[in-house]
Amino acid sequence: KQEVTQIPAALSVPEGENLVLNCSFTDSAIYNLQWFRQDPGKGLTSLLLIQSSQREQTSGRLNASLDKSSGRSTLYIAASQPGDSATYLCAVNSGGSNYKLTFGKGTLLTVNP
Amino acid sequence: NAGVTQTPKFRVLKTGQSMTLLCAQDMNHEYMYWYRQDPGMGLRLIHYSVGEGTTAKGEVPDGYNVSRLKKQNFLLGLESAAPSQTSVYFCASSYSHIRRTGYTFGSGTRLTVV
Repeated sequence: KQEVTQIPAALSVPEGENLVLNCSFTDSAIYNLQWFRQDPGKGLTSLLLIQSSQREQTSGRLNASLDKSSGRSTLYIAASQPGDSATYLCAVNSGGSNYKLTFGKGTLLTVNP
Repeated sequence: NAGVTQTPKFRVLKTGQSMTLLCAQDMNHEYMYWYRQDPGMGLRLIHYSVGEGTTAKGEVPDGYNVSRLKKQNFLLGLESAAPSQTSVYFCASSYSHIRRTGYTFGSGTRLTVV
């Protein structure tokens, strides 16, 4: 059974700092990995999707990396802003015809002005 | 561009009442999913569908039923609501596994059972 762990559970940083969020998974046989952002009381917004054959994906100030063999992914946020404050969720798709996502419990990020 | 739309957004039920949550997507996605999100538990899969007329159980299916009579709609039913079903429910959709695309989520339904 796939298990996804996110560390740290919460992170507080000053504005402008670069930061890294970590995600680890137990079964390296994955199709892809998706990072989401969730604001309080809101739905999930997709940030980045990395296929199993890729090493990284970039969108603006966000960079996600994937090391499938070690079961790890990182989300790098450059020059953090207060608007980046949210919960960040990592989700792994182990593939197959069911194509189901397994989620980590998230990292709550607070960026202080 | 609506994406995934969930109705209602909020609902309060009394124990034993029934209700149906509606999920609609306009992206022609083959697959649809229902998740629940609880504090400390993360998102857990309730039921899913890989095509019109098909449904399957996820991780926590007890107390719920689903139907997918049309490709664009996925209904989640609670026949006899219990306080343990107080949660935030999210619907999601995706293309089939062949395309290896990501999921698109709705904005959620906050359900309270008293």
